[in-house]
Amino acid sequence: AQSVSQHNHHVILSEAASLELGCNYSYGGTVNLFWYVQYPGQHLQLLLKYFSGDPLVKGIKGFEAEFIKSKFSFNLRKPSVQWSDTAEYFCAVIGPIYNQGGKLIFGQGTELSVKP
Amino acid sequence: NAGVMQNPRHLVRRRGQEARLRCSPMKGHSHVYWYRQLPEEGLKFMVYLQKENIIDESGMPKERFSAEFPKEGPSILRIQQVVRGDSAAYFCASSRSGTGISYEQYFGPGTRLTVT
Repeated sequence: AQSVSQHNHHVILSEAASLELGCNYSYGGTVNLFWYVQYPGQHLQLLLKYFSGDPLVKGIKGFEAEFIKSKFSFNLRKPSVQWSDTAEYFCAVIGPIYNQGGKLIFGQGTELSVKP
Repeated sequence: NAGVMQNPRHLVRRRGQEARLRCSPMKGHSHVYWYRQLPEEGLKFMVYLQKENIIDESGMPKERFSAEFPKEGPSILRIQQVVRGDSAAYFCASSRSGTGISYEQYFGPGTRLTVT
């Protein structure tokens, strides 16, 4: 069965520190990968996505992620975090695609706390 | 352009009652997905529907849970005879249809169900 693993449950950083959140997936087929963010009290928003092509993808708010097929990884990075980045981050992979859609399989989430 | 809408945002039910959760997808979207987030857990897929069809219900509990997406009106997630373990946040997402789409799912604000 497909699964997604996020390495850290809770990360605490100071403003301006660099961020890297790990994500590994187990799925042998063609993958579509996502990072979602959930700010306190808000719904999930898409940060970035990978479908094909350049394995380094850029998303909103200065985030980027790199798809490394050989490592089954899709780590999220940001060079300099801000207090407003405090949120929960979810990595997800789309499962079998049929009828032009498919279920998202989420990691357990990483809570990021940024100290001002 | 309104996003995915869910109502109610908060729902309190006593054990044994029925819960009905509604989801209106974004305009132009014909795919609907339901996910559940239990306390201290990540989001888990429940069901994927298109208009009048259940495409994938592999994440739905076998009993008491049902979902529909009629030709007209919102998608409904129905939980009969609720138990305390059903207390969770239920999120709906929608996506577009058509070839070459990005399989990007847009999430609603969620319904927080509390069973007393």
